[in-house]
Amino acid sequence: ILNVEQSPQSLHVQEGDSTNFTCSFPSSNFYALHWYRWETAKSPEALFVMTLNGDEKKKGRISATLNTKEGYSYLYIKGSQPEDSATYLCAFKSQAGTALIFGKGTTLSVSS
Amino acid sequence: DVKVTQSSRYLVKRTGEKVFLECVQDMDHENMFWYRQDPGLGLRLIYFSYDVKMKEKGDIPEGYSVSREKKERFSLILESASTNQTSMYLCASSLFLAGGNQPQHFGDGTRLSIL
Repeated sequence: ILNVEQSPQSLHVQEGDSTNFTCSFPSSNFYALHWYRWETAKSPEALFVMTLNGDEKKKGRISATLNTKEGYSYLYIKGSQPEDSATYLCAFKSQAGTALIFGKGTTLSVSS
Repeated sequence: DVKVTQSSRYLVKRTGEKVFLECVQDMDHENMFWYRQDPGLGLRLIYFSYDVKMKEKGDIPEGYSVSREKKERFSLILESASTNQTSMYLCASSLFLAGGNQPQHFGDGTRLSIL
């Protein structure tokens, strides 16, 4: 059974702090790694889709890196703002799989 | 922008009822998915469809069925609702099978309570 782990489960930071979370996934048969942001009362929104080892992607203050050989991805948020408060989900797709496998998410709370 | 619309944000039904959750997307996506979200368990795939009238079981299909008669619409059916089906249900769509290197686009979710 393929497993996708996210850590930490939750964290609370102050406005202006930079933070990062981890997504761990199987390192064999890698195809793609997705990151989504899910704000309360809204729909999950795609942040990044990463396919190549060493990929780095950036969207505003949020960036992500990918290491397919060791099976992890980091999501970084620089200078956290209250509007960054959300649950961040990663999802893994293997070459053989037909569907995304989601982690349980990291819930970020940013206080002003 | 892709729009995925779920028919209800909140729904309350009784045990044993047949429940229909509807999902419509407006971007001509081939693939559509139904997930449920439960505290501490993450998003779990119930069913997905990669074409009209085609369906595949996900991780937790028991107690559910689906219908895809038109490309833009994917319905989730609870044949005989039970209290353990109380959950948040999310619909999603994407261009290629399972998203692959294309992101999935989600609806706002339906919070279903079975009494």
